[in-house]
Amino acid sequence: AQSVTQPDIHITVSEGASLELRCNYSYGATPYLFWYVQSPGQGLQLLLKYFSGDTLVQGIKGFEAEFKRSQSSFNLRKPSVHWSDAAEYFCAVGPFYGNKLVFGAGTILRVKS
Amino acid sequence: EAGVAQSPRYKIIEKRQSVAFWCNPISGHATLYWYQQILGQGPKLLIQFQNNGVVDDSQLPKDRFSAERLKGVDSTLKIQPAKLEDSAVYLCASEGKADTQYFGPGTRLTVL
Repeated sequence: AQSVTQPDIHITVSEGASLELRCNYSYGATPYLFWYVQSPGQGLQLLLKYFSGDTLVQGIKGFEAEFKRSQSSFNLRKPSVHWSDAAEYFCAVGPFYGNKLVFGAGTILRVKS
Repeated sequence: EAGVAQSPRYKIIEKRQSVAFWCNPISGHATLYWYQQILGQGPKLLIQFQNNGVVDDSQLPKDRFSAERLKGVDSTLKIQPAKLEDSAVYLCASEGKADTQYFGPGTRLTVL
């Protein structure tokens, strides 16, 4: 079955430290992959997306993600975390029937000063 | 460019009451989605519209949930009657030609 797994429910990093959030997916073909961020009380904001081409994708706010087909992964990275990055991050995969996306359960990022 | 608008932002009702949510997508976006996001989970698709037609409503609990998108622009999602387990954030998203969904701020529903 098609699915998305985000193994880490919570991650805490120090401000200025590097960050990697994991995402593994199950999909029968070359997927579309997305990372969204959700701040408390807000909707989801698109950070970056992968459709095809270069497997290293740059996004907004200094984030990047790498598509690794052999590992069925699309991990999100940032070299230096800021306190304002504290939020919940969702990985999504598609398209399914009608361009539908399936979302992971999310990873909550806490940033300590 | 204005984003996806949703109202109300918060709603508290008692079980068995009815409630309606409204969504105005990004101008020109033909596809509109309603998601349910229960605390601690990722968004789950309820219904997808293409213009004013339904593409996928396989996960919509049709005995109590209904949705419409008259004229292919705004959409409303209704719950009648509400149950305790309907407490969640209801997210609306729209999509243009770039195969990317853009989300509104959501409506947080609490059913007491």
